[in-house]
Amino acid sequence: DSGVTQTPKHLITATGQRVTLRCSPRSGDLSVYWYQQSLDQGLQFLIQYYNGEERAKGNILERFSAQQFPDLHSELNLSSLELGDSALYFCASSSGSWSYEQYFGPGTRLTVT
Amino acid sequence: GESVGLHLPTLSVQEGDNSIINCAYSNSASDYFIWYKQESGKGPQFIIDIRSNMDKRQGQRVTVLLNKTVKHLSLQIAATQPGDSAVYFCAESLPPGGSYIPTFGRGTSLIVHP
Repeated sequence: DSGVTQTPKHLITATGQRVTLRCSPRSGDLSVYWYQQSLDQGLQFLIQYYNGEERAKGNILERFSAQQFPDLHSELNLSSLELGDSALYFCASSSGSWSYEQYFGPGTRLTVT
Repeated sequence: GESVGLHLPTLSVQEGDNSIINCAYSNSASDYFIWYKQESGKGPQFIIDIRSNMDKRQGQRVTVLLNKTVKHLSLQIAATQPGDSAVYFCAESLPPGGSYIPTFGRGTSLIVHP
């Protein structure tokens, strides 16, 4: 158990809808990272927050957004969902402003039908 | 558990053997390399990293070798155990001043037979 929690574990929704994925980092970690893992693209970095501020941005679509709250939990919002958004979404955390030694949560499996 | 990838290269070994997982990286300017392990139904787990100014680094039962001449990275696992069965993938990133956001490889599935 990495200490990172993600909810929900599974999510099934229709095209055009909007969903919110939630992540609670390990106790004491200030950085939260979001990743998307799909069969055709592999693991891709989306975005990072450090202590409430956006720190790094990867291949995140404009339809996607994220935020980190004062209690350090983070939410990833996915809107106008398309079939191609079906994937595993992972959250990870670390103590510093950037670390490759990140602790990953169990992921949220999103299925868009 | 959930499948994280189909048609991945697969390495099958017997318990107790040493395993070598290979990775070819794409950018000759990459400065930092990381290996992750992902068990079925779980998120990735950091294993070990190496900077480009090194060609070898050892951890607990694992060794990473870096050959910058041919842009090749390998992960050696000593005395492989059934618990090592997972998908292993490497990641690369650029030096400071470039983007430190890692680019991940597709992975290799390691199957350890008892």
